[in-house]
Amino acid sequence: AQSVAQPEDQVNVAEGNPLTVKCTYSVSGNPYLFWYVQYPNRGLQFLLKYITGDNLVKGSYGFEAEFNKSQTSFHLKKPSALVSDSALYFCAVRRGDDKIIFGKGTRLHILP
Amino acid sequence: GAVVSQHPSWVICKSGTSVKIECRSLDFQATTMFWYRQFPKQSLMLMATSNEGSKATYEQGVEKDKFLINHASLTLSTLTVTSAHPEDSSFYICSAPQGSADTQYFGPGTRLTVL
Repeated sequence: AQSVAQPEDQVNVAEGNPLTVKCTYSVSGNPYLFWYVQYPNRGLQFLLKYITGDNLVKGSYGFEAEFNKSQTSFHLKKPSALVSDSALYFCAVRRGDDKIIFGKGTRLHILP
Repeated sequence: GAVVSQHPSWVICKSGTSVKIECRSLDFQATTMFWYRQFPKQSLMLMATSNEGSKATYEQGVEKDKFLINHASLTLSTLTVTSAHPEDSSFYICSAPQGSADTQYFGPGTRLTVL
């Protein structure tokens, strides 16, 4: 079955430092992977996706993610964190029937 | 980008009553919509797929008779929690794909509290 795992419940990063939010996947076949962000009182917002092609995927708000097939990972990264990046981040995978299945989420705290 | 709305944004009800939550795609048509449930500190759990013109399909373990889904039009899906119990208290989120299944737009969610 297609699934993703986010090993960290929470990540704390100082403003201006690089950030990484981890995600590993378990899929059969080629993975379709996504990152979404959830701000308080707002709907989930799409950040980026990997279908095929370059392993480094660039997305919204300066985020990027690196697809690593050998490590079955799809970590979310940003070179310099902003306080406004504080939110709940979800890694997700597209299942065989085209439905999106989410990881448990990682709360990112950017400390001023 | 496309907008999906949900109504109400929050609702409090008594145990045993039924609650209806609406999900609307405001500027696009959606033959399919998805309903998720989000528990505190947990992931979004896909509950069911709402299909315009046909029956909803439910994920394993989701009670069809408890969570009634109706896709009334190409822009509206409703989730009715029947005979609600405190354990049904949760955050319910809908989404609608525009174009491919990879591009989904999410509603802001509905907080249900059952007393």
